[in-house]
Amino acid sequence: RKEVEQDPGPFNVPEGATVAFNCTYSNSASQSFFWYRQDCRKEPKLLMSVYSSGNEDGRFTAQLNRASQYISLLIRDSKLSDSATYLCVVNKDSGYSTLTFGKGTMLLVSP
Amino acid sequence: SAVISQKPSRDICQRGTSLTIQCQVDSQVTMMFWYRQQPGQSLTLIATANQGSEATYESGFVIDKFPISRPNLTFSTLTVSNMSPEDSSIYLCSVEDQGGREKLFFGSGTQLSVL
Repeated sequence: RKEVEQDPGPFNVPEGATVAFNCTYSNSASQSFFWYRQDCRKEPKLLMSVYSSGNEDGRFTAQLNRASQYISLLIRDSKLSDSATYLCVVNKDSGYSTLTFGKGTMLLVSP
Repeated sequence: SAVISQKPSRDICQRGTSLTIQCQVDSQVTMMFWYRQQPGQSLTLIATANQGSEATYESGFVIDKFPISRPNLTFSTLTVSNMSPEDSSIYLCSVEDQGGREKLFFGSGTQLSVL
């Protein structure tokens, strides 16, 4: 099993749709979890951290299921500007050198 | 948030040559990180650059191939040495969030193509 695994997509959705991405991780001792967003030919930027109880930031909701070792990102009311690649990131320790990035899931939102 | 200037933004190089990538941060940071993102692959950490000490390299990366300098708390360079087409990739520098929230800020990346 890969350390961090994501469906590469692309997910093609119309504006206004709700879309969900899943990510699985192999190390059950992983400590912290994040979603980053990477626009085409741009650098990754932190979208949100993922907390054990789940958390929401506007149209974005992140969930963590430690028992099943997966993380999800839900985007409601998709906008054209949401088109990007979403990277799942897992930290198996508390330092920066132990961050593991998934390959990303590409989202394309069309008019 | 940190502002990171990375250059060059892209380059096309001949095999056997070397390229040095520069990364300048607008604030002092303890650690700077160098990542590689190969086409269709995930970001992979090459090394952690600490000011005043040698860089710490991850498995599969060696100093002879990727020498790193960290002369002060706002600047670092990564050199890709004796390049081959397999080194064609995006190289990104990154710094930690000084607020200690495990957040990384990335430079805009260097798109390297080796012929």
